Amino acid sequence: DTAVSQTPKYLVTQMGNDKSIKCEQNLGHDTMYWYKQDSKKFLKIMFSYNNKELIINETVPNRFSPKSPDKAHLNLHINSLELGDSAVYFCASARRDSGGLKTQYFGPGTRLLVL
Amino acid sequence: GENVEQHPSTLSVQEGDSAVIKCTYSDSASNYFPWYKQELGKRPQLIIDIRSNVGEKKDQRIAVTLNKTAKHFSLHITETQPEDSAVYFCAARNIAGGTSYGKLTFGQGTILTVHP
Repeated sequence: DTAVSQTPKYLVTQMGNDKSIKCEQNLGHDTMYWYKQDSKKFLKIMFSYNNKELIINETVPNRFSPKSPDKAHLNLHINSLELGDSAVYFCASARRDSGGLKTQYFGPGTRLLVL
Repeated sequence: GENVEQHPSTLSVQEGDSAVIKCTYSDSASNYFPWYKQELGKRPQLIIDIRSNVGEKKDQRIAVTLNKTAKHFSLHITETQPEDSAVYFCAARNIAGGTSYGKLTFGQGTILTVHP
């Protein structure tokens, strides 16, 4: 019954490496998001895609590049990883309801540790 | 842009007591306010939300109140139980106009501990 899934769950890597995190949702939603949660638990949006189109792009280093091959997938590629990239990355998806709202559902998170 | 302030950052209560978490927002155009609960090591999960045309909403032991004039909203948990222990996040979103794609601005989170 997995609604929003992410892989991998844990990612430990060396500084300078390039890594990708994948997200898939089977809810039929049209909008997907990437959030970063730092060690102080602060949740901050990074990107959002609607129907494969980038619509939200917060102030994020260009080492981070999202890619949406289709509406059900939103991947996050990170180049030249830095220590400060260590965090939990959450994918989320949402759909518009009858009132125009979008309830967001989060994935389980990917715990990235850069050594 | 929107700025959401959440207080307190930590809250400790005895089982059976009530807990109240408050948030203020800056963008008067914000009109949707969800609350998320995040248990340790888990994902944030929506527990209740409120739209700006409603002043209060209740779901069993949890309720949310909204004061649009003062631009603040609160989460109330009654008869707290140890399993209510988690981090709670408020959020605000402006769904008006062309940017109604669900950008949520989150508060800083409140760590709630319910002691048995």
